[in-house]
This record gives sequence, structure tokens and C-alpha cells, in this order.
Amino acid sequence: EPEVTQTPSHQVTQMGQEVILRCVPISNHLYFYWYRQILGQKVEFLVSFYNNEISEKSEIFDDQFSVERPDGSNFTLKIRSTKLEDSAMYFCASIRDRDTGELFFGEGSRLTVL
Amino acid sequence: DAKTTQPTSMDCAEGRAANLPCNHSTISGNEYVYWYRQIHSQGPQYIIHGLKNNETNEMASLIITEDRKSSTLILPHATLRDTAVYYCIVRGSGNTGKLIFGQGTTLQVKP
Repeated sequence: EPEVTQTPSHQVTQMGQEVILRCVPISNHLYFYWYRQILGQKVEFLVSFYNNEISEKSEIFDDQFSVERPDGSNFTLKIRSTKLEDSAMYFCASIRDRDTGELFFGEGSRLTVL
Repeated sequence: DAKTTQPTSMDCAEGRAANLPCNHSTISGNEYVYWYRQIHSQGPQYIIHGLKNNETNEMASLIITEDRKSSTLILPHATLRDTAVYYCIVRGSGNTGKLIFGQGTTLQVKP
């Protein structure tokens, strides 16, 4: 069964450092998303991406964050200068049909900022 | 997208059916009801979705009331591995396809 894959599974970084989280969505999917989940809290929407541009972003997704699809397969989330409060699980997701299809999630990347 | 209301937690005995309710009284005609679950800190997992008819797949059944203001997810024979947080989400067409997660229902399946 096709799946969304994410790397790394866990990253530890120092405050102020740049971090790039990588995702390989399912190959025939057209819409891509990043979510985050701070420990003990709910899953929060960050950004959606379609046709090589951001289609929607939440208030959380400020100038510190950026997304990119540098080639035909990878979808990346960059955090420019990490803060302690960026520590969370980050989930990538993709969907083929945004109206009726189901969103498939990866297993997540755990980011720990020290 | 319409808001949903779910109980915070539920228990179920192993081998019995787990019935998880969800209220979505402000749902509109083109909005689907989706169910996902999250086991521990894994990525949310799709379970089932429907518009107005009842749906069944290998994981669960979804019963939607005739007025569509509420629904019930049924896990017919719950196992310990079904212990998870279950999310009921309403999503309409014409948006970016995103799902907005609430707090969900924590289902504890007990031996």
C-alpha cells in the first residue's frame, strides 16, 4: 500500500538553528500539507500546498516557516531559526482529490529544540 | 467547515463493539463526515468517511442519521490495538482539502 514517508524520524537541534523536515508524498497525489502536534495537544494545521504554491496557511505558519517542492517527489518544511516552542511532532500529509478523498499522513518527524 | 462535538473519553471491553458518537448539527449539504484515529503519537490514520449513506469498510462502519446532524463510528469487535484517539471531522468541498482536528475521543479498550 502506498504511504507518505518522512525523514528524519527524530531531530534534535539547538535554538536558533535551521531545520529542514522532508516528506515524500504518495506519487499520484496533488495536494500536500504540514501539520504539527505539540506533546499532549491536538494536531494543528500549518499549511497546504498545491501546484507549487501555498494555497492556505494558518496563523502558526509565520515567516519562520517555509515549504518547498524542490523536485517531483520531495516536499519540505523549513524552520529558519528554531525556538523552544517549535518542539513538536510534524506530520506531512497528501491527498489526490481534495473534495472527497482521504488525507494520508506520514508517521511524523519529532523535533526537539534545546 | 462545521464544528463537531465528541465525548472526551470512552471505555470498551475487548471483543465488544465500540460505538463512538459525534454531533455535527451545523453540517451543510456538501460536507462529508470523516473519521481518523491516532494511536499514541503516530500519524493520524484514515478510518472511513461518508456523506449521507451509511458506509462500511474492513475497519469500521459509519452510521449517519437521516438529518445528518450526528453520526456514529462502530468498531465491531474492538481489540486492545484499537486503543487510540478517534477524531470526527467535517469537511466540505471547495476548500484546500485540509482537515481541522479537534480534541477527539480517547477510546480505551480494556481486556
